[in-house]
Amino acid sequence: QSVLTQPPSVSGAPGQRVTISCTGSSSNIGAGYDVHWYQQLPGTAPKLLIYGNSNRPSGVPDRFSGSKSGTSASLAITGLQAEDEADYYCQSYDSSSYVFGTGTKVTVL
Amino acid sequence: QLQLQESGPGLVKPSETLSLTCTVSGGSISSSSYYWGWIRQPPGKGLEWIGSIYYSGSTYYNPSLKSRVTISVDTSKNQFSLKLSSVTAADTAVYYCVRRPEWFDPWGQGTLVTVSS
Repeated sequence: QSVLTQPPSVSGAPGQRVTISCTGSSSNIGAGYDVHWYQQLPGTAPKLLIYGNSNRPSGVPDRFSGSKSGTSASLAITGLQAEDEADYYCQSYDSSSYVFGTGTKVTVL
Repeated sequence: QLQLQESGPGLVKPSETLSLTCTVSGGSISSSSYYWGWIRQPPGKGLEWIGSIYYSGSTYYNPSLKSRVTISVDTSKNQFSLKLSSVTAADTAVYYCVRRPEWFDPWGQGTLVTVSS
């Protein structure tokens, strides 16, 4: 059972902005641990999308942005594109263990 | 470019031990900056961290799996390995090997391990 909660699904039309929340607690995100985000395209391994709350690895479009506040974090996708249709996971640290969010499926309408 | 590749049996019988190896290419597993580890994903479900190892042999395991997990490293072969004992159907998953500073990157392509008699 994951300690980081994400909405099961979000959707948007091409060009729109969508956000994915990652809700934790005082023992993980609220304790100051960083949040990282991964994108998993269908049938593939997850890929690092955002690290250290808001940093993009080389090659990740600036349409993707991350933020953190209190016991929660968010991933925003602006200018939604068809190739953004995937599962997204947040990740942090809690009680001697690395933990993942429940995952969110993004659908491009 | 660093690449990780998992290998091992795709089918394991219940109560037996699952064994996987990750081969690292394009970089040294003895880098002082990184840990190396395993993550799994049951079919249609989310991600679960299994554990990590430093090139010196220091290990960190998910408390929920700690009693059944052993991760080891072979720096001469640039490989690290996972053993998960007393497996059940609940251990059926795609197993990924990863590199970790505090986030996981890169990931291997993953290997499906099915627990079934």
